[in-house]
Amino acid sequence: GNSVTQMEGPVTLSEEAFLTINCTYTATGYPSLFWYVQYPGEGLQLLLKATKADDKGSNKGFEATYRKETTSFHLEKGSVQVSDSAVYFCALSRTQGGSEKLVFGKGTKLTVNP
Amino acid sequence: GAGVSQSPSNKVTEKGKDVELRCDPISGHTALYWYRQSLGQGLEFLIYFQGNSAPDKSGLPSDRFSAERTGGSVSTLTIQRTQQEDSAVYLCASSLAVRGPSYEQYFGPGTRLTVT
Repeated sequence: GNSVTQMEGPVTLSEEAFLTINCTYTATGYPSLFWYVQYPGEGLQLLLKATKADDKGSNKGFEATYRKETTSFHLEKGSVQVSDSAVYFCALSRTQGGSEKLVFGKGTKLTVNP
Repeated sequence: GAGVSQSPSNKVTEKGKDVELRCDPISGHTALYWYRQSLGQGLEFLIYFQGNSAPDKSGLPSDRFSAERTGGSVSTLTIQRTQQEDSAVYLCASSLAVRGPSYEQYFGPGTRLTVT
């Protein structure tokens, strides 16, 4: 079946450090890939998405590239801020350009210290 | 515009009681999804609706769980004879469509259910 594996946290960084959160997936067919973020006390928000291989999703300085050859969708940001402290979830949907059902990774908690 | 809303925000119930959780999707969104977030299991899909129909109920953990959607809008998730393992945050999401350029899911704030 479809599954998502993301690096276990927690991750603690200093402000302006480089961030990578690894995500790999197992899926049949051509899934769509997503990163969601959950800020403290808030609901899940879509951060970025990619629909097909080699697509790059980007938002708020975060980027992730859909790599079919390595079945990966790693999240990166060049310079993190304290306000980026949150839990980040990698997710896939089983169809390209669709989302009948999202399968989530376990989440990675990021803390950014000033 | 208004986002996805859920009620109640918190629910404490005794083991064996029934509970109903409500979700109001974004106006005009045809698809509606229920997920459960718990410490042990992470985020799990429960069920989704396209209009009033539920094409995929595969995530409902037992026959104590049921959901319905009326008028293509509000949805209710019902848990009968609650057990302690049902304690979790129940999340609702909606999307304009299931496929195409507007399939992103938008999540509500969740209902935190505690079974004592």
